[in-house]
Amino acid sequence: QSALTQPASVSGPPGQSITISCTGTSSDVGGYNYVSWYQQHPGKAPKLMIYEVSNRPSGVPGRFSGSKSGNTASLTISGLQAEDEADYYCSSFTSSNTMIFGGGTKVTVL
Amino acid sequence: QVQLQESGPGLVKPSETLSLTCSVSGGSISGYYLYWIRQPAGKGLEYIGRLYTSGGSSYNPSLKSRVTISVDTSKNQFSLKLTSMTVADTAVYFCARDDVGIGASGVYWGQGIMVTVSS
Repeated sequence: QSALTQPASVSGPPGQSITISCTGTSSDVGGYNYVSWYQQHPGKAPKLMIYEVSNRPSGVPGRFSGSKSGNTASLTISGLQAEDEADYYCSSFTSSNTMIFGGGTKVTVL
Repeated sequence: QVQLQESGPGLVKPSETLSLTCSVSGGSISGYYLYWIRQPAGKGLEYIGRLYTSGGSSYNPSLKSRVTISVDTSKNQFSLKLTSMTVADTAVYFCARDDVGIGASGVYWGQGIMVTVSS
């Protein structure tokens, strides 16, 4: 199974909104509403930010939102803050009953 | 607060079998999906496999022939065995558990354990 496609990097100044895309196929992203997004700071474990396309776990700030259209899911950070600088990974359930991750996107706050 | 902790050898020789354990505290493993995920240095996350304590498991097709995930509910632990290790298996290995109402996601994660394959 090939990794989901994410841009290698996205950047923006504090306060701006950015969007990270995650493109898969009809056998994963497009076929199921089980897309998740994780934030990972250097040397740390990933942290779940969005599950089931658009749901935020308790404690995740409201500036993080998720959506999906066809085979592409998106994570939007509205009002970028310095602490949002991290790597972000999408994941999806697949038709093979497995999970698959994206290659990761490095978010830089300018 | 649910906490996970990986344990096992930090160094494995080529061709040997890696055995890692994930100990869970502050919550049960029964009735949840349990995951193993790895991350080579400077690279992205890779799904290794998951096990549902009430039955069923799935593995990354590229690793399926070498991977076994098992559970010991009496100890509130689950384990990963990866056979025929090579240099390409050098990575940080994470264990994770989902949560009620949160599908197909690792909600609680261990801190990760670095495993190096070298003779």
